Amino acid sequence: AQRVTQPEKLLSVFKGAPVELKCNYSYSGSPELFWYVQYSRQRLQLLLRHISRESIKGFTADLNKGETSFHLKKPFAQEEDSAMYYCALRTDSWGKLQFGAGTQVVVTP
Amino acid sequence: GAGVSQTPSNKVTEKGKYVELRCDPISGHTALYWYRQSLGQGPEFLIYFQGTGAADDSGLPNDRFFAVRPEGSVSTLKIQRTERGDSAVYLCASSLRPDYEQYFGPGTRLTVT
Repeated sequence: AQRVTQPEKLLSVFKGAPVELKCNYSYSGSPELFWYVQYSRQRLQLLLRHISRESIKGFTADLNKGETSFHLKKPFAQEEDSAMYYCALRTDSWGKLQFGAGTQVVVTP
Repeated sequence: GAGVSQTPSNKVTEKGKYVELRCDPISGHTALYWYRQSLGQGPEFLIYFQGTGAADDSGLPNDRFFAVRPEGSVSTLKIQRTERGDSAVYLCASSLRPDYEQYFGPGTRLTVT
């Protein structure tokens, strides 16, 4: 069965420190991976997707099929990065997403 | 332009009652998704519409849950004989096409007492 695992429920980092959010998935085919973010009192929104290979708000994520991982990284965390982050997997053409449980990131000054 | 909207934002109902949750997608978006998010969990897929038809309803937990999208725009999620375990935030998302970015609504928080 397909599964998305985010092992950290809470990640607390200092401003300016690097941050890495872990995401592992289980799927035998060719996955499409996403990171979604939800800022306080805002709706869920797409942060980045692996096929676009771009950096958004300083965040990057690389799909590692060998380790079945899609970790999200930022070299220097900012206070405005404090939010809930969800890793998501898409395995079919309908577009339905399977989400991990999420990681709460708190960036302290 | 306007994003995805959902009404009501909050709904409190008694166990056993019937509820309807509404989703207004972004104009022109043919794909519409419903997800359910329980406390401490990520969103969980319920049903997907392409146009007016439900292309995938594999996520609906049981036959108490039903959704429609009669004109290919607004969708209604209907829950019969609500149970306390149905309490969650119900999210709607739409996209221009199934493989395009999904835009989420603010959700409806359902509480069954």
